[in-house]
Amino acid sequence: EPEVTQTPSHQVTQMGQEVILRCVPISNHLYFYWYRQILGQKVEFLVSFYNNEISEKSEIFDDQFSVERPDGSNFTLKIRSTKLEDSAMYFCASLGAEVKLFFGSGTQLSVL
Amino acid sequence: AQTVTQSQPEMSVQEAETVTLSCTYDTSENNYYLFWYKQPPSRQMILVIRQEAYKQQNATENRFSVNFQKAAKSFSLKISDSQLGDTAMYFCALLTQGGSEKLVFGKGTKLTVNP
Repeated sequence: EPEVTQTPSHQVTQMGQEVILRCVPISNHLYFYWYRQILGQKVEFLVSFYNNEISEKSEIFDDQFSVERPDGSNFTLKIRSTKLEDSAMYFCASLGAEVKLFFGSGTQLSVL
Repeated sequence: AQTVTQSQPEMSVQEAETVTLSCTYDTSENNYYLFWYKQPPSRQMILVIRQEAYKQQNATENRFSVNFQKAAKSFSLKISDSQLGDTAMYFCALLTQGGSEKLVFGKGTKLTVNP
């Protein structure tokens, strides 16, 4: 079964540093998403991406966040200047014509 | 705005028994889908089951089935013959179409299956 791939699985960074989280969505899917989950809390929507542009973003997705699909297969989330409160599990997901949202296994980001 | 409510933060069940997890939702859209996701301790999000709002028939996937009550905006998950591997967080989620194509999650129910 096709799957969404995320790298790295764990990322440790210093406060103020930039991080890039990478995702390879399922190849024939149309919508791509980033979600995050702080430990023990609900899964929160960050941003959706369709037709090479942002479709919708949440209030969490402020100017320090950006997304790109640089080469038609990878889908990246950049956090420009990380804060302690950015520590969370970040999930990439993709949605296909069958209307099923598949998630990657996540990147655990720890900001020190 | 779309909302999903899971009123049971934690539940437990004996192995081999049946358990039902509750979920209610709210949306003004006519076209939407409902999902249950399982999140084991590994924290991976695993799709368990999906229901199209326009279908009256309740979805079933092996030991997992739903009770979809559209008028009441209720979408419960029934797990039959519970297994130790079913121990996980379970999230109910709503995806609407025709505007916001994003999945909105409930807060989750932590299910423990006891031997």
